[in-house]
Amino acid sequence: EAGVAQSPRYKIIEKRQSVAFWCNPISGHATLYWYQQILGQGPKLLIQFQNNGVVDDSQLPKDRFSAERLKGVDSTLKIQPAKLEDSAVYLCASSRNQGGESPLHFGNGTRLTVT
Amino acid sequence: GEDVEQSLFLSVREGDSSVINCTYTDSSSTYLYWYKQEPGAGLQLLTYIFSNMDMKQDQRLTVLLNKKDKHLSLRIADTQTGDSAIYFCAESIDTGGFKTIFGAGTRLFVKA
Repeated sequence: EAGVAQSPRYKIIEKRQSVAFWCNPISGHATLYWYQQILGQGPKLLIQFQNNGVVDDSQLPKDRFSAERLKGVDSTLKIQPAKLEDSAVYLCASSRNQGGESPLHFGNGTRLTVT
Repeated sequence: GEDVEQSLFLSVREGDSSVINCTYTDSSSTYLYWYKQEPGAGLQLLTYIFSNMDMKQDQRLTVLLNKKDKHLSLRIADTQTGDSAIYFCAESIDTGGFKTIFGAGTRLFVKA
C-alpha cells in the first residue's frame, strides 16, 4: 500500500510570513494526525481528525495555526504568521481508526525553517 | 499525567545486544509502541504490545513490559550498523478518544 504522502519536503520562510503543508493519508485510514517535532524532541500532537471532524486540537496554537480535512481524506496545515519557534519538522500520520490497536503510520515530514 | 521518558543515548558494538528503556506515567495506557526514525525520514513502526501482555518477540526484537513499574524495554539482538537511528517509545491512552504520546527518543549508535 502507498504510504502517507507529504509536501513540500522543505520550506524556508521569513518570520511573519505564512506557509501551508499538505498531507495525503493511507487510503482507507479514517484518522489523521499532525505532529510537530522540534529538533531533539519527540513528536508533539497538534491536531487529530476522525474523518472530517476534529477529535483533539488542544495543543494547536489557534491564534496562528489552522488545519482542515474537508472531505475526510487529505489535509492541510497552515501557519500564519510564522514565528522563529515554529522551526520544526511537521509530521503527518494516519491510522485505520482511533483505537490503540491501530498504530500510526507516518509520512516523511516537512522541515520548516523560519528565519 | 501523560509523560514518556527515555534515556537520550546508547552506544553498542556491532553484534552485541542493545536494550532501550522507557518509563511512562499514565496507567490507562492500552498499547505501547516502539518506532524507529532514520535521518530525514518519518517514524517507522517497529513493534507494539498490548498492555495486558508482558513480552512480545519479533525476529531480532524483544519487547518487555512491566506494567506495575510502568517500564517498557526494547531489546535488539545482534545489533547491526543499520540499526543506528533514533528509537521512540510511545503510549496510546484512552482519554475518551485515543491519544498517542511520544518520548523524546533514544539515539542508538552502533560501532563497527
